[in-house]
Amino acid sequence: NAGVTQTPKFQVLKTGQSMTLQCAQDMNHNSMYWYRQDPGMGLRLIYYSASEGTTDKGEVPNGYNVSRLNKREFSLRLESAAPSQTSVYFCASSGIGAGYGYTFGSGTRLTVV
Amino acid sequence: DAKTTQPNSMESNEEEPVHLPCNHSTISGTDYIHWYRQLPSQGPEYVIHGLTSNVNNRMASLAIAEDRKSSTLILHRATLRDAAVYYCILREGAAGNKLTFGGGTRVLVKP
Repeated sequence: NAGVTQTPKFQVLKTGQSMTLQCAQDMNHNSMYWYRQDPGMGLRLIYYSASEGTTDKGEVPNGYNVSRLNKREFSLRLESAAPSQTSVYFCASSGIGAGYGYTFGSGTRLTVV
Repeated sequence: DAKTTQPNSMESNEEEPVHLPCNHSTISGTDYIHWYRQLPSQGPEYVIHGLTSNVNNRMASLAIAEDRKSSTLILHRATLRDAAVYYCILREGAAGNKLTFGGGTRVLVKP
């Protein structure tokens, strides 16, 4: 059982370039999330999708867009990358409701130069 | 969002129990208490969660105060592999959709 799969694992971008981070889960979870983690810091929520067809902003949405492609897949797009977006990005999924735990992917380490 | 307060760091000796405290004085009646841990260079990993009663699983135990304003994660016998940052998070029952991470407690396990 793969759980949550993120691609790519590593990426280096030049300032102004665009890219899409992919996330897929095989647990039939309704909710999916994108977090970023800067060095030595906790995770901050970028965007989330409570269920297929819906997306909402989290704590730090500026500079990002998301697409809930179907129940399994939730992508994060950087339209014009900036050095401030250098971070590790984690995707997670969960069942609906506070009594469900999150399952996280292994992360995408992004460097913007 | 409801907030939690945890110590920045704790040390333990290998094979001894570790008690990680968490204060959440503004918890509401439908909020679940979740614990996650993050090993170095890895994504967060679910540990345990509960609502009112104490909970046990293969990884840890969760003791919840009667007034629910605090909780304690208990690692019964710490191993070197338990060295990680442990996050105590309230998952709101009303929306139930977001986990808001704080700074967590960094646990150091000494051999």
